Amino acid sequence: EVQLVESGGGLVQPGGSLRLSCAASGFTFSSYWMSWVRQAPGKGLEWVANIKQDASEKYYVDSVKGRFTISRDNAKNSLYLQMNSLRAEDTAVYYCARDREGGPDYWGQGSLVTVSP
Amino acid sequence: QSVLTQPPSASGTPGQRVTISCSGSSSNIGSNTVNWYQQLPGTAPKLLIYSNNQRPSGVPDRFSGSKSGTSASLAISGLQSEDEADYYCAAWDDSLNGQVFGGGTKLTVL
Repeated sequence: EVQLVESGGGLVQPGGSLRLSCAASGFTFSSYWMSWVRQAPGKGLEWVANIKQDASEKYYVDSVKGRFTISRDNAKNSLYLQMNSLRAEDTAVYYCARDREGGPDYWGQGSLVTVSP
Repeated sequence: QSVLTQPPSASGTPGQRVTISCSGSSSNIGSNTVNWYQQLPGTAPKLLIYSNNQRPSGVPDRFSGSKSGTSASLAISGLQSEDEADYYCAAWDDSLNGQVFGGGTKLTVL
């Protein structure tokens, strides 16, 4: 059974940093692109970033370029999102997701990030 | 403003057939496959349709997808109360080099 479990969310002040982690199990992690997708309170889904199997390619939505960094550790079956210079508009539930053609196929339960003074 | 355009709401009565549209452009739907997701209140999204019209194992055949040109549609037949949820379309966008989602459609079963 595919499982994706996020951790690391919480309350942070504007300008602060946070690192999200995602522990993957139930599939060959190193064989898949992986993504982070977020959902602001009461809003729709927004793709944040994704990363190729060997981390040789990474893509980001414009609003987080230069502030967020996606990475992975295939030996630990883990995906990460380092978030710096956080803004109020980054407040959202962040989902870790396994990618397939057209978009994610499996999603984690989400981790809430709140950016507030 | 989402790159993919969906109606914000849709509704139907039990047993009815409803369709949800998703409009894009040549750089996303026009050149890549479309996925559809169902999000029940308070839960993570679930893949409903992939590669335009394929159902993952476990998804009832009441759900079907189609694509034509730069638009896609999700059809739900034999509507049930448990289908009340938010539905999102998604595709890769070659110009943005990123995944794009529709704004979501809230389906109400009357």
